[in-house]
Amino acid sequence: GENVEQHPSTLSVQEGDSAVIKCTYSDSASNYFPWYKQELGKRPQLIIDIRSNVGEKKDQRIAVTLNKTAKHFSLHITETQPEDSAVYFCAASYPSGGYQKVTFGTGTKLQVIP
Amino acid sequence: DTAVSQTPKYLVTQMGNDKSIKCEQNLGHDTMYWYKQDSKKFLKIMFSYNNKELIINETVPNRFSPKSPDKAHLNLHINSLELGDSAVYFCASSQDRLAGGETQYFGPGTRLLVL
Repeated sequence: GENVEQHPSTLSVQEGDSAVIKCTYSDSASNYFPWYKQELGKRPQLIIDIRSNVGEKKDQRIAVTLNKTAKHFSLHITETQPEDSAVYFCAASYPSGGYQKVTFGTGTKLQVIP
Repeated sequence: DTAVSQTPKYLVTQMGNDKSIKCEQNLGHDTMYWYKQDSKKFLKIMFSYNNKELIINETVPNRFSPKSPDKAHLNLHINSLELGDSAVYFCASSQDRLAGGETQYFGPGTRLLVL
C-alpha cells in the first residue's frame, strides 16, 4: 500500500515569511495529490491539489510542486498571515481495485506569529 | 454548509455502551468514508463505501460496523465502546471517478468521549 511521510510536524514562521511543507510517497501509481487545511476544531478542507501530469500549480499565495521521479511534493505558502495558522495534511491518491484509495500524511501544525 | 452533515456533533458516553453516528451528503457523490482523528491529529481511514458497497475496510475492530442504506448515507455503529475509541470521527464523500482521484468533502466531525 501507499506510505506518505510529511515534514515537518510543526512549523512556526513570522507573519509575511514563507512556509514550506514537504511530503514523500512510495507508490509510483499515485496520481492525485491534494492538500487539506484543518483549522482548530473544524473539518479538513481542500486548499489545492495537483495531478500527476502537472509539475506545479499555483493559486494566489499557495503553490504545490510535484516531482514524480523523486516521489515528493511540497506545499508553499508565501506572505503568510495569522489566518494561515492551522494543521495541513498532504495526501496521495492511487488506483486500487477499480477505485481510488487515498493515504494522508501525518499533518503539519503551522503557526504564523504576528 | 450542509453538503456533508453528521449527527451528533458531540457524544459523551460510558465504556461498554453502544452508539451510532449518522452521516448524510447531498452532493450526489458515489463514495463515502469514515475517518478517525486521534488526539495527535492523525487522520486514519476506517471504511469506504461506493454506491452502498464496502470497498475499504482498514483493519478496524469488528465492534465498528458501518451501514450504508443508500449512497447518500453512511452510518457508523460502535459496540462495546472502549476508552481508546475517544476521538473525532469524520465522515467524507467524493465523486470517485475511476481516473485520477477526487477531492474529499468532510463533515463537521463527531467528537466522541468515552468515560
